[in-house]
Amino acid sequence: EAGVVQSPRYKIIEKKQPVAFWCNPISGHNTLYWYLQNLGQGPELLIRYENEEAVDDSQLPKDRFSAERLKGVDSTLKIQPAELGDSAVYLCASSTGQGSGEQYFGPGTRLTVT
Amino acid sequence: GNSVTQMEGPVTLSEEAFLTINCTYTATGYPSLFWYVQYPGEGLQLLLKATKADDKGSNKGFEATYRKETTSFHLEKGSVQVSDSAVYFCALSAGGTSYGKLTFGQGTILTVHP
Repeated sequence: EAGVVQSPRYKIIEKKQPVAFWCNPISGHNTLYWYLQNLGQGPELLIRYENEEAVDDSQLPKDRFSAERLKGVDSTLKIQPAELGDSAVYLCASSTGQGSGEQYFGPGTRLTVT
Repeated sequence: GNSVTQMEGPVTLSEEAFLTINCTYTATGYPSLFWYVQYPGEGLQLLLKATKADDKGSNKGFEATYRKETTSFHLEKGSVQVSDSAVYFCALSAGGTSYGKLTFGQGTILTVHP
C-alpha cells in the first residue's frame, strides 16, 4: 500500500513569491491534515479536511495561506506571498477519520524562504 | 487548551542502555495518547498508542503506560539499539472541538552510539 505522497520535497523561494505544496493521501482515507513543523518543534495543525470539507481551519493564517481538496482526494496548500518566517517543514497526513488519532504522515516539504 | 510537554533533549545513550523519555499532558476529558517516531529523512510514524487510563501501548520493544493520576505517558525501552536513533514525539488526541486533532510535544532527539 502506497503511503502519503508529498511534492516537492524541497523548495527554495524568495520572499513575496507564491508557493504551492501538493499531497496525495492514502487511498480510502477520508480525512486529510496539513501540519506546520518548525525546527525543533512538534507539528502544529493548520487545517483538517473531512472529504472535501475543511472542518477545522482555525489555525490557518488566511491572509496568506489557502488550501483546497477538490474531489476529496488530493490537496494543495498555497502561500501567497511567502514571508521569511514561513520557512519550515509542511507535513501532510491522512487517516480513516474514525477518531482513533492514528494518522499517517508524508515525508514533508521543506520550504526555505530567502 | 490541550498541551503536551516532553523532556528536553537531546538524549545520548550507548547501545543496550535503558531509555526513558518523559511526557506529561494537559487535556480536558479523556484523551488518547500516542508516541510517534521520525527517523532521519522519513515522515512521522506511529510507534504506539493508548486510549484509556492504565492501558499500556507497546511496539518494537518500546512501552508506555497511560497514567491518568499523574497525566503522564512516559516512553521506555529496556535495551536501545543504534537503529532507534530518531526523534520521538508524544501526542494526544482529545474529543470535543479538538476531535481528530493531534497535539504534539516538541520532540526528543535520541542518539544511540555503538
